[in-house]
Amino acid sequence: ILNVEQSPQSLHVQEGDSTNFTCSFPSSNFYALHWYRWETAKSPEALFVMTLNGDEKKKGRISATLNTKEGYSYLYIKGSQPEDSATYLCAFMNRDDKIIFGKGTRLHILP
Amino acid sequence: EAQVTQNPRYLITVTGKKLTVTCSQNMNHEYMSWYRQDPGLGLRQIYYSMNVEVTDKGDVPEGYKVSRKEKRNFPLILESPSPNQTSLYFCASSLGRTPLYNEQFFGPGTRLTVL
Repeated sequence: ILNVEQSPQSLHVQEGDSTNFTCSFPSSNFYALHWYRWETAKSPEALFVMTLNGDEKKKGRISATLNTKEGYSYLYIKGSQPEDSATYLCAFMNRDDKIIFGKGTRLHILP
Repeated sequence: EAQVTQNPRYLITVTGKKLTVTCSQNMNHEYMSWYRQDPGLGLRQIYYSMNVEVTDKGDVPEGYKVSRKEKRNFPLILESPSPNQTSLYFCASSLGRTPLYNEQFFGPGTRLTVL
């Protein structure tokens, strides 16, 4: 059974602080890792698509790194803002074309 | 506007009454997929399709059918819905045959309740 773990499950961060969270996935048979941002009452929206070991991607204050050898990816948010409050999902794709989502990290930004 | 649409957005039905949730995308995407979201669980893949007339089972296909007769449409069919299929359903599409290099675009979701 493929397992994708995200930690922590929930996180409260003061506005202006930086934060990061983790996605762990099977290191064998790796194909791709996606990060999505999911706001309440909306649909998930893609942040990053990562395929190569050592990949680093950045979009504004949000960035992500990928380590396929040890099976983890970090998502970083610099200088958190209220609009960053959301659930952040990672999705692991293996060479059998299966996509497995983690349960997400729920981020709350405190004013 | 480039988008994935789903209908209906909300549905309450009874056990055993066949239903179809439609999904359509206007971006000429090859890949389409259905997911369900349940409390405490991540998004779980039900079925996916890499092209017209090509469909494959995801993680939780039992009790569901799909078809891909045209590139833009990917309906989800519940032949005999049961209460354990009460869930929030998302359709998604992606440019390539697989989402290897391309993000998935999600529809607005369909909240289904089976009594």
